[in-house]
Amino acid sequence: QVQLVESGGGLIRPGGSLRLSCAASGFTFSDHHMTWIRQVPGKGLQWLSYISDDTTFIKYAESVKGRFTISRDNGRNLLYLQMNSLRVEDTGIYYCARDLSPTLRAFDYWGQGTLVTVSS
Amino acid sequence: DILLTQSPATLSLSPGERATLSCRASQSLGNYLTWFQQKPGQAPRLLIYHTSIRAAGIPARFSGSGSGTDFTLTISSLEPEDFALYYCLQRRDWPLTFGGGTKVEIK
Repeated sequence: QVQLVESGGGLIRPGGSLRLSCAASGFTFSDHHMTWIRQVPGKGLQWLSYISDDTTFIKYAESVKGRFTISRDNGRNLLYLQMNSLRVEDTGIYYCARDLSPTLRAFDYWGQGTLVTVSS
Repeated sequence: DILLTQSPATLSLSPGERATLSCRASQSLGNYLTWFQQKPGQAPRLLIYHTSIRAAGIPARFSGSGSGTDFTLTISSLEPEDFALYYCLQRRDWPLTFGGGTKVEIK
């Protein structure tokens, strides 16, 4: 069965760095575009970044552009989010999700999320 | 950025009743509108994509409609497990944006 498992979250000081990972299994990872989305606990959802199956197409939300970097390792079925210069407002639950297909724009599977807390 | 406005913020209904949730966009989305359901402590669950296509395993009581800037998620007869938060997401343009959510609560 399709599984996405995030890891790497934790408590970090403002200005610090973290790298989140998303381990994929149960499907051909290299066939799917992937994305990162976060949610402040008790609040709404915010899209952060997107990467195509072959890494040739990458997009970021303005709020993280220049600070966050999305990448993937198709040989190891891993998606990453490198987060630098973290701010208090980056606190939240970070989800990875996959796109159903290159032509069907639908985030059909999500991980359970990993909590990032940015605080001094 | 495309702004999505969901209404109402809260919908108080009884099991068996019909729920109608609205998502209005600040510009045309074509049919690139997605609906998710989220329950406390869980990740969002895909319900509807491309306005009206039900995701795998989603019951037929969930339906989506609309085009352009006005979209609707309808739950024909609420089951106890349907009381949750619902979000819309536009996939028409970057950056992708979510609506603020509608909470469907038990009356």
